[in-house]
Amino acid sequence: EDQVTQSPEALRLQEGESSSLNCSYTVSGLRGLFWYRQDPGKGPEFLFTLYSAGEEKEKERLKATLTKKESFLHITAPKPEDSATYLCAVQPNSGYALNFGKGTSLLVTP
Amino acid sequence: DGGITQSPKYLFRKEGQNVTLSCEQNLNHDAMYWYRQDPGQGLRLIYYSQIVNDFQKGDIAEGYSVSREKKESFPLTVTSAQKNPTAFYLCASSRRAPPTGELFFGEGSRLTVL
Repeated sequence: EDQVTQSPEALRLQEGESSSLNCSYTVSGLRGLFWYRQDPGKGPEFLFTLYSAGEEKEKERLKATLTKKESFLHITAPKPEDSATYLCAVQPNSGYALNFGKGTSLLVTP
Repeated sequence: DGGITQSPKYLFRKEGQNVTLSCEQNLNHDAMYWYRQDPGQGLRLIYYSQIVNDFQKGDIAEGYSVSREKKESFPLTVTSAQKNPTAFYLCASSRRAPPTGELFFGEGSRLTVL
């Protein structure tokens, strides 16, 4: 059975304090791994897609990396506006939709 | 601007009533999806549709129904058979299914059963 586990469940950082969020997955053939940002009461907003181990993508203070078993979302020098829930999802080769993890709730304080 | 529009944003329902959530997209995407989100849980797939007049059950389809009569529209009906319907409902679309790129999400509809 395909599984996606995100850790930690919640993370509190001070502004400028870099850290990483983890997404470990078990899937029978990976078509793609996706990272989304979700603000309270809103729909998820797409951040990155990673397709193969070793791939990296960056956007502003965020950098996503992928290995055969997990993905990391690195946040460098975060700002309060980076506070949100970050969702990881995988799409298996055999599936028609994405399987989501429970998310990591990030709070960045000034 | 292209995107996905969900309505209503908030909805209250009495037990025993059916309710329909609207989802419209102008992205010309073939595939559309309905997810349910509960506190502390990941998004769970209710139904998806790859093309017009075709749809498939997801992981938690019991108590829900959908239709796909037009490419742009994918309404979700929450029936009285759904035992715990209070949740945040998200509609999404992708160019095709299986998606080779990202899903685009609407702003969500929050349903509360009184």
